[in-house]
Amino acid sequence: KQEVTQIPAALSVPEGENLVLNCSFTDSAIYNLQWFRQDPGKGLTSLLLIQSSQREQTSGRLNASLDKSSGRSTLYIAASQPGDSATYLCAVKEGSGAGSYQLTFGKGTKLSVIP
Amino acid sequence: NAGVTQTPKFQVLKTGQSMTLQCAQDMNHNSMYWYRQDPGMGLRLIYYSASEGTTDKGEVPNGYNVSRLNKREFSLRLESAAPSQTSVYFCASRTGTSGSEQYFGPGTRLTVT
Repeated sequence: KQEVTQIPAALSVPEGENLVLNCSFTDSAIYNLQWFRQDPGKGLTSLLLIQSSQREQTSGRLNASLDKSSGRSTLYIAASQPGDSATYLCAVKEGSGAGSYQLTFGKGTKLSVIP
Repeated sequence: NAGVTQTPKFQVLKTGQSMTLQCAQDMNHNSMYWYRQDPGMGLRLIYYSASEGTTDKGEVPNGYNVSRLNKREFSLRLESAAPSQTSVYFCASRTGTSGSEQYFGPGTRLTVT
């Protein structure tokens, strides 16, 4: 069974710092990986989607990388801002088969950016 | 363009009561999903509908039923609520084509006393 781990569970950084959030998964046979942001009491907002054939995706100050063979993904946030404070979740979609429509989520990293 | 909408936003039930959570999407997506989110557990899939007319169990289906009413709407029913079903429920949708991303609704916060 696929397991997704995000370390650390919480992270606090001063404004302006560059930071990296980590995501690891146990079964490398994934179809894609998606990073989400969740604000307190809100739903999930999709940030980046990386297909298994891709190495990275970029959107503004965000860059997500994928190393499928080692079961790792990172989300890089440049020049962090207080508005980046949220919980960041990664989720993997596995390949074909009965579970192919299911996303397996990590438990998230709660990021606090201090002004 | 509203995306994925869910009703109600909040609900308190007593043990044994029933209710239906509603979800609708206006993105013409084929696939729809119901998740629950619990502290320390992450999001877990309850049921999904790969396309109109089909539904399948996810990781934690016990105590729930679903209906894919049409392409837009996917409802989740609790027939006899239990305190263990206290959670935040999220509906999501995706186009259904290979590799497409999931879009989430704002959630329903359910408390069962």
